[in-house]
Amino acid sequence: GDSVTQMEGPVTLSEEAFLTINCTYTATGYPSLFWYVQYPGEGLQLLLKATKADDKGSNKGFEATYRKETTSFHLEKGSVQVSDSAVYFCALMKGDNFNKFYFGSGTKLNVKP
Amino acid sequence: NAGVTQTPKFQVLKTGQSMTLQCAQDMNHEYMSWYRQDPGMGLRLIHYSVGAGITDQGEVPNGYNVSRSTTEDFPLRLLSAAPSQTSVYFCASSRDGPYEQYFGPGTRLTVT
Repeated sequence: GDSVTQMEGPVTLSEEAFLTINCTYTATGYPSLFWYVQYPGEGLQLLLKATKADDKGSNKGFEATYRKETTSFHLEKGSVQVSDSAVYFCALMKGDNFNKFYFGSGTKLNVKP
Repeated sequence: NAGVTQTPKFQVLKTGQSMTLQCAQDMNHEYMSWYRQDPGMGLRLIHYSVGAGITDQGEVPNGYNVSRSTTEDFPLRLLSAAPSQTSVYFCASSRDGPYEQYFGPGTRLTVT
């Protein structure tokens, strides 16, 4: 069935380091892909999305490119800040249906000053 | 705007007890949903609603009931709590289906 696999955390980086959080998916057809972020004590919020192959989603310095050939949607940021410490969730959606929306298990990022 | 609010933040229940997790949103969103999050797993959909008076089941509906009498509120009822329902519960709302969901801060439930 359809699913999303994320790299296990936690990921610990120093401030200004380069970030990559890997996400791969299994799905037939052309799903839409998302990254959600959960800051400490808060609910999840949408960070970025891409709806077709080769699309790049970007927001707050984060980027992810929809790669159909490798079924991946890796999250990247060139220079992380302490304020980026959070849990990051990759997700996919097939069609306009809540039952076709799948979250990954989340990757915790810790950024040290 | 408060966004999506959930109460309580923490709850401990004994096996067999019942309770209601409250969820409210002030964004006039038509769509609302409930998820649970367990260690090492992604969020799993329990129930969702596409508008007042309309609800449907998600991936893991057993042991939970919902109703949607108003646009703003979407309570989740545990009828007879079991240890397997120990989890963190998230409520979400959205304007256009599952595309961009706004989540509440979660309720951490422990069933002993």
